[in-house]
Amino acid sequence: GAVVSQHPSRVICKSGTSVKIECRSLDFQATTMFWYRQFPKQSLMLMATSNEGSKATYEQGVEKDKFLINHASLTLSTLTVTSAHPEDSSFYICSAREGGLGPQHFGDGTRLSIL
Amino acid sequence: AQTVTQSQPEMSVQEAETVTLSCTYDTSESNYYLFWYKQPPSRQMILVIRQEAYKQQNATENRFSVNFQKAAKSFSLKISDSQLGDTAMYFCAFMTTNYGGATNKLIFGTGTLLAVQP
Repeated sequence: GAVVSQHPSRVICKSGTSVKIECRSLDFQATTMFWYRQFPKQSLMLMATSNEGSKATYEQGVEKDKFLINHASLTLSTLTVTSAHPEDSSFYICSAREGGLGPQHFGDGTRLSIL
Repeated sequence: AQTVTQSQPEMSVQEAETVTLSCTYDTSESNYYLFWYKQPPSRQMILVIRQEAYKQQNATENRFSVNFQKAAKSFSLKISDSQLGDTAMYFCAFMTTNYGGATNKLIFGTGTLLAVQP
């Protein structure tokens, strides 16, 4: 089946550091990729949607300068958390879709901890 | 705006028994998809089942089946012969089917934590 690889699975870093998370679709072309944030025992909150070769569309309340998204190819999207602070600590999940209405596949998530 | 409501924060079931998780949604759209996703302690989101709104027949995947009531905007998940591996957070999700790609976003409910007891 379709696989989405998300890397790294866990990051611990100091406040002020920028952190990049990669999301790759391994065996399909993802026309659309999604980035979610999940707090403990809560639902997934959509942060942004990205289409290959175009700027990401951010949800209301998500700082686009803080969370930089690049969707450079049909198999790779990256999320960079710039100048991370402890309040950015969370579980980040990427997802990729095959086509406009195709199945949406999820990565394993990244646990980000900012000290 | 579309909303998805899961009114059961937590549920418990004995192994081999049957359990039903509730989900209601609100939309003015006529064409959409509904999903149940499972998130075990490993945190990976796994698609359990999908239902197209235009289909009257309820979707079934092995031990998992849904009761889709379009008029009532209800989409419950039934898990038969519950297994210990079914222990997870279950999310109901809604997606419109407008042809436009980026606008077709999954909207998740708040989740139901299911514990299968031995």
